[in-house]
Amino acid sequence: QVQLVQSGTEVRKPGASVKVSCKASGYTFIKYDIHWVRQATGQGLEWMGWMNPKIGQTGYAQTFQGRLTITRNTSISTIYMELSSLRSEDTAVYYCARALRVGELSFDYWGQGTQVTGSS
Amino acid sequence: DIQMTQSPSSLSASVGDRVTVSCRASQMISSYLNWYQQRPGKAPKLLIYAASNVQSGVPSRFSGSGSGTDFTLTISSLQPEDFAVYFCQQSYRLPPTFGPGTKVDVK
Repeated sequence: QVQLVQSGTEVRKPGASVKVSCKASGYTFIKYDIHWVRQATGQGLEWMGWMNPKIGQTGYAQTFQGRLTITRNTSISTIYMELSSLRSEDTAVYYCARALRVGELSFDYWGQGTQVTGSS
Repeated sequence: DIQMTQSPSSLSASVGDRVTVSCRASQMISSYLNWYQQRPGKAPKLLIYAASNVQSGVPSRFSGSGSGTDFTLTISSLQPEDFAVYFCQQSYRLPPTFGPGTKVDVK
């Protein structure tokens, strides 16, 4: 069965970076785009960026340009999201999500979420 | 960016009730509209894609309709496991954007 398993809770000081992983299984890794979405406590869903794992193409929301980097390791079917220059407003649960089909922006499978806290 | 709004922001209902949630896009998005359910502490779950297509494994009591700018999610007979928050999301163009959510709780 399709699964996206994310790395665990992270706590970082303001100004630091955090890297969250998303390991895919149960399907052919390179056939589906992976997106990152975050959610602050009690708030809505905010799209951050995406990657095509086959060719490594990425795209980022304007809000995160210059601070967000998405990478992959195809040998272990894993996508990484790294956010730098953390601030308290970046405290949120971060989700990876698989696109329903190539090039689509509908998300059929989600990781369990990773809590990232930016606090001194 | 395309702005998504939802109404109501919350509603109270009983098991067996018919529930309707509305979503509006700030510009025409054809049928590029998805609905997700999120239970507390869990990731969102895709219910409906392309406005009216029920995702595999989702109960048939969930349905979606609409096109252009106005869309509706309907739960025909609310079940105990349906008390949750529902989000709409446009998949017409980057960046994909979500509505603020509609919380369905127990009357």
